[in-house]
Amino acid sequence: ETGVTQTPRHLVMGMTNKKSLKCEQHLGHNAMYWYKQSAKKPLELMFVYSLEERVENNSVPSRFSPECPNSSHLFLHLHTLQPEDSALYLCASSQDRNSGSRYEQFFGPGTRLTVL
Amino acid sequence: GESVGLHLPTLSVQEGDNSIINCAYSNSASDYFIWYKQESGKGPQFIIDIRSNMDKRQGQRVTVLLNKTVKHLSLQIAATQPGDSAVYFCAELNAGGTSYGKLTFGQGTILTVHP
Repeated sequence: ETGVTQTPRHLVMGMTNKKSLKCEQHLGHNAMYWYKQSAKKPLELMFVYSLEERVENNSVPSRFSPECPNSSHLFLHLHTLQPEDSALYLCASSQDRNSGSRYEQFFGPGTRLTVL
Repeated sequence: GESVGLHLPTLSVQEGDNSIINCAYSNSASDYFIWYKQESGKGPQFIIDIRSNMDKRQGQRVTVLLNKTVKHLSLQIAATQPGDSAVYFCAELNAGGTSYGKLTFGQGTILTVHP
């Protein structure tokens, strides 16, 4: 176990549904990330939260809405998704480098999302 | 744009052989290069990294080589075992003045180890 958990592990939703992905880290980290992993594509960074503030938003469509209520939890709210949004969504966490810690990101197991 | 990519999408080896997985990168302005292993149903797992000012680093059964002249990174796995079967990603860390690590991943190589 990496100390990063994600729920649900699998999700099937229609294009008109609203759902949320949840990530929780038990490592005391203060940076959290959402990645998208599609077939035959490299992992794509979507969002970064550092100290609960969104610091990166890599041109992600507004139908993906992240939320970071505290340093241990990260959500990805989904609404009116498209079939091409079907992918594995991975959460990761790391410790702020300013504290002298390593940059290493620890990944959760991912949520396999299928949009019908 | 700048990217990190892999030469070979698949690699099949016999148990006990040594494996070499290669990666080409295009952005020289980075802090670290990292190898991740991803098994089926799991997220990527850190294997080993190398700082940009080094050319070789060894771990347990793994060695990473960095050739900055040709912008090439490789992962060597000694005495490959069936449990090493997974997808291997190289990634590049570019802090860019940030306090967190921004990773750029390559496409991945599927390593299959035959008993």
